[in-house]
Amino acid sequence: DFQMTQSPSSLSASVGERVTITCRASQSVTRFLNWYQHRPGEAPKLLISGASTLQTGVPSRFSGSGSGTEFTLTISGLQREDFAVYYCQQTHASPPTFGQGTKVEVK
Amino acid sequence: QVQLQESGPGLVKPSGTLSLTCTVSGGSVRDYYWSWIRQPPGQGLEWIGHIYGSGSPSYNPSLKSRVTISGDTSKKQVSLEMTSVTAADAAVYFCARHLRFYESGWSYAFDLWGQGTMVAVS
Repeated sequence: DFQMTQSPSSLSASVGERVTITCRASQSVTRFLNWYQHRPGEAPKLLISGASTLQTGVPSRFSGSGSGTEFTLTISGLQREDFAVYYCQQTHASPPTFGQGTKVEVK
Repeated sequence: QVQLQESGPGLVKPSGTLSLTCTVSGGSVRDYYWSWIRQPPGQGLEWIGHIYGSGSPSYNPSLKSRVTISGDTSKKQVSLEMTSVTAADAAVYFCARHLRFYESGWSYAFDLWGQGTMVAVS
């Protein structure tokens, strides 16, 4: 299976800060990389598909970049509703696999 | 607005069978792929398998021998059965719909998820 490793596992940030989460794949996944947000008690939400395509309705402060084995999710100007766990997922090969998650907490 | 709702027993006995249903409201099961994903307490997300409408399923090799996924387009439901459960199968179980898109090749993401249902094994 393709292993996905996120860093950091958790971070503390203040409202308004810029936050970057990294996702590394054990082998190239080209651009078949998605990002999800998961708030406690809610359904996970797809933020970005294909490494950089923002989903409809997702605020433009979220952006994704990368290809091959290294990807980043950036939140430019953290808002209170952004405190959540973020997961990357590769769909280049089956089974699709997820990173272990990055928890973004209030500083 | 399409919504997904997982349902089923919250407690299963060791060596028993876990049976869950995902009901799709406001939309059709036909013409979409549907996945089951789980998250054990304090751990990450694991893909269990998927099905296209009521067609042939595909499973994670790590669970293939114990899992069956089926779809009922008339009831608008997708079901999961997992046999011989152990404590390691205790998790929140999610169903999710696939969004297919072209990105230098056909790919997919899970664009709609249910809230999940917790299953304990004891």
